[in-house]
Amino acid sequence: AQSVTQLDSHVSVSEGTPVLLRCNYSSSYSPSLFWYVQHPNKGLQLLLKYTSAATLVKGINGFEAEFKKSETSFHLTKPSAHMSDAAEYFCVVSVYNQGGKLIFGQGTELSVKP
Amino acid sequence: EPEVTQTPSHQVTQMGQEVILRCVPISNHLYFYWYRQILGQKVEFLVSFYNNEISEKSEIFDDQFSVERPDGSNFTLKIRSTKLEDSAMYFCASSEVLGQGYGYTFGSGTRLTVV
Repeated sequence: AQSVTQLDSHVSVSEGTPVLLRCNYSSSYSPSLFWYVQHPNKGLQLLLKYTSAATLVKGINGFEAEFKKSETSFHLTKPSAHMSDAAEYFCVVSVYNQGGKLIFGQGTELSVKP
Repeated sequence: EPEVTQTPSHQVTQMGQEVILRCVPISNHLYFYWYRQILGQKVEFLVSFYNNEISEKSEIFDDQFSVERPDGSNFTLKIRSTKLEDSAMYFCASSEVLGQGYGYTFGSGTRLTVV
């Protein structure tokens, strides 16, 4: 079975400092992994995706994530946080051979202090 | 940028009543999905829909739930007789291509409150 675990339910950073949101996955197959972001009263927006190409994936708004098979991790990073980054972030895995079904982590709420 | 539109944004209903949640997927997308998130819990898959039929459904998606694409543009989720535990945020999503590596476009969600 496939699953994802987000290691922090809440992360707080100061504006201009680095962001690290941690995600570990479990999969018997080569996984497809995603990060989605949800701003208040908005939909779930795709930040980036890993699909077995380059292990370092760049996404929108300066975010990137590195797929590390040896650590079964797919952590999301950003060098410098902006106030507009405050949102809920979800690490997601696509279920193998079930037509695009996604399994979500429990989410990490990112707060950015001025 | 194309969007998935969900209406209403918030619905309050009495237990036992029927509700219909509406979604307008992106026009050239062929695959449609419903997910839900109970407050404080993970986002959960409910159902996927392609070519006018259900392609996958979860254990949550029992006989109380149904989906329909009534007119070629809307995609609806009906809950026949709502229970308190159906209170959740319901997300509609669509995708152009089916496959592991493709992300969806999600709507903003409908918050359903059953009282």
